Amino acid sequence: DTEVTQTPKHLVMGMTNKKSLKCEQHMGHRAMYWYKQKAKKPPELMFVYSYEKLSINESVPSRFSPECPNSSLLNLHLHALQPEDSALYLCASSQGLAGKETQYFGPGTRLLVL
Amino acid sequence: AQKVTQAQTEISVVEKEDVTLDCVYETRDTTYYLFWYKQPPSGELVFLIRRNSFDEQNEISGRYSWNFQKSTSSFNFTITASQVVDSAVYFCALSEPNFGNEKLTFGTGTRLTIIP
Repeated sequence: DTEVTQTPKHLVMGMTNKKSLKCEQHMGHRAMYWYKQKAKKPPELMFVYSYEKLSINESVPSRFSPECPNSSLLNLHLHALQPEDSALYLCASSQGLAGKETQYFGPGTRLLVL
Repeated sequence: AQKVTQAQTEISVVEKEDVTLDCVYETRDTTYYLFWYKQPPSGELVFLIRRNSFDEQNEISGRYSWNFQKSTSSFNFTITASQVVDSAVYFCALSEPNFGNEKLTFGTGTRLTIIP
């Protein structure tokens, strides 16, 4: 059972909007991740949340802010995005950290910023 | 620093042909993990296999097989008797079990097209 769900599947927003992406996993995993993937590129790690600790890729701008309401949910709040933020946003989870655990990915949210 | 190279950007083969996707990695650690993921047009990254650095046994799963060779730092993926449903982008990835630096390093991906 490797299920990670993401909503919405598609999102179109203006540069002044505030929106949120949601991710939920039902596997009892203790680590969750947000990735950004531009067309024809590999995924890039944005955030890791594990053991109530958030790790941030320092190159991610502050207009992206993660929130972890509980161990199975990870939201990504979006505010004042730019057109270059248009991408596929993937959520993943793993049993633990330390690099050896398999990350299981959700179906992604395709975001278009106008 | 860790690095994964997938030199084949795009491959096209006719259905039922065999195809091998190459993956070469670089790492300074003796303990590491290698992965293959499939990304169909729908976008979801589908986990295919994980291999740790101490297990050099090749693995076969149906039409899929993986050849891990530490001597050449390669972890190649072969699809036998390819099918149209195999069309996707395939990513090879590497991780190291370093606490505080847990991340997957992805290759740039190989786009595989199976021609009916």
